[in-house]
Amino acid sequence: DVKVTQSSRYLVKRTGEKVFLECVQDMDHENMFWYRQDPGLGLRLIYFSYDVKMKEKGDIPEGYSVSREKKERFSLILESASTNQTSMYLCASSTSPEKLFFGSGTQLSVL
Amino acid sequence: KQEVTQIPAALSVPEGENLVLNCSFTDSAIYNLQWFRQDPGKGLTSLLLIQSSQREQTSGRLNASLDKSSGRSTLYIAASQPGDSATYLCAVKLPSGTYKYIFGTGTRLKVLA
Repeated sequence: DVKVTQSSRYLVKRTGEKVFLECVQDMDHENMFWYRQDPGLGLRLIYFSYDVKMKEKGDIPEGYSVSREKKERFSLILESASTNQTSMYLCASSTSPEKLFFGSGTQLSVL
Repeated sequence: KQEVTQIPAALSVPEGENLVLNCSFTDSAIYNLQWFRQDPGKGLTSLLLIQSSQREQTSGRLNASLDKSSGRSTLYIAASQPGDSATYLCAVKLPSGTYKYIFGTGTRLKVLA
């Protein structure tokens, strides 16, 4: 079975901190995604990567950056955390026929 | 612009009932449609994926159908159990060549013992 692992289930950070969220997949998938999920708003795409060092902005990239130095690892970076970035963050990966596999999520609270 | 809607937002049923969850989308030009289950505070677990050329997929007590012309998919759960309680989300993938998946906001299902 495909495994997508997110390094933290819960994180509490202070406003202005730099935050790193890590995601690793074990099935050699080309595509990896970062979403955030908020009540009433559903899942919104932050960034997408289709290959090592390749990335594209999603619908809400402001305040975030990403890094993909190795195929299996996709990191989401909050450059300067703000309270409106408190959310559930979900990493996913996919390959043909483009079925999405999700990690267990990271609930981030920014105080 | 593709929009995905799931109605109702919440549903309670007694154990043992067969039930249908609905997913509607506005543009029939989709690559595939996927159904997920999400338990509180957890990630999404893939249940079924239907390619645009398919009409239905089955896995155990679950059956998903797809009618592109009417912009609808249904997830049928047979003989529901309390362990089926969760939020069920559908997502459509836009046509090949894009990476976009559009998600519904889900139906929160509670199966009462």
